[in-house]
Amino acid sequence: EVQLVESGGASVQPGGSLRLSCAASGFTVSDSYMSWVRQAPGKGLEWVSVIYSGGLTNYADSLKGRFTISRDTSKNALFLQVNNLRVEDTAVYYCTRVRIQGDTEFFQDWGQGTLVSVSS
Amino acid sequence: QSVLTQPPSVSGAPGQRVTISCSGTSTNIGTGYAVHWYQQLPGVAPKLLIFNNNIRPSGVPDRFSGSKSGASASLAITGLQAEDEADYYCQSYDNRMGGSTVFGTGTKVTVL
Repeated sequence: EVQLVESGGASVQPGGSLRLSCAASGFTVSDSYMSWVRQAPGKGLEWVSVIYSGGLTNYADSLKGRFTISRDTSKNALFLQVNNLRVEDTAVYYCTRVRIQGDTEFFQDWGQGTLVSVSS
Repeated sequence: QSVLTQPPSVSGAPGQRVTISCSGTSTNIGTGYAVHWYQQLPGVAPKLLIFNNNIRPSGVPDRFSGSKSGASASLAITGLQAEDEADYYCQSYDNRMGGSTVFGTGTKVTVL
């Protein structure tokens, strides 16, 4: 059974940093495409970043430079380093396993999410 | 800054049929990229409901169906049930500025 368990969310001040983690089981992270999706309180879903099985990464344009996605093969885990946090980064961050079909990709499995709250 | 537009809300009585539209443009759905749908029950993570326009993952009731035409897509729920009350999001790919995944604005389905 596929399981994704996020952790690392916290309340931080603007300008702070956090490292979000996602522990995976039931499949191998390094063989998969993995993404982070976030959802601000009361708002819709926003794609954040993806890491492909070969190691290539991509980010939402508005987040480039502050967010870094990575993985650890030995821990079978996914990470998201978020720096210089802004109030508008407040959201639940979901770890997802991506499935590719032709030229499109979608989010097949989701974790329960971890809350990042940024305020002064 | 969602580029896929959905109605904020739709409602229906139990047993009725409701549809949710997802309107895109020539840089996403209109180009031919597939549309996927997610259901988000209150307080929990989203769940994949439909992929590749009209395919249901194992375990999703056949009351849910998807379609796509031109630059738009639709999700239909037939035989509406109380447990279908949730937020629904469409998702596709947009090829502007290097390309990225995009979500719809979301639709709240209320069962009357």
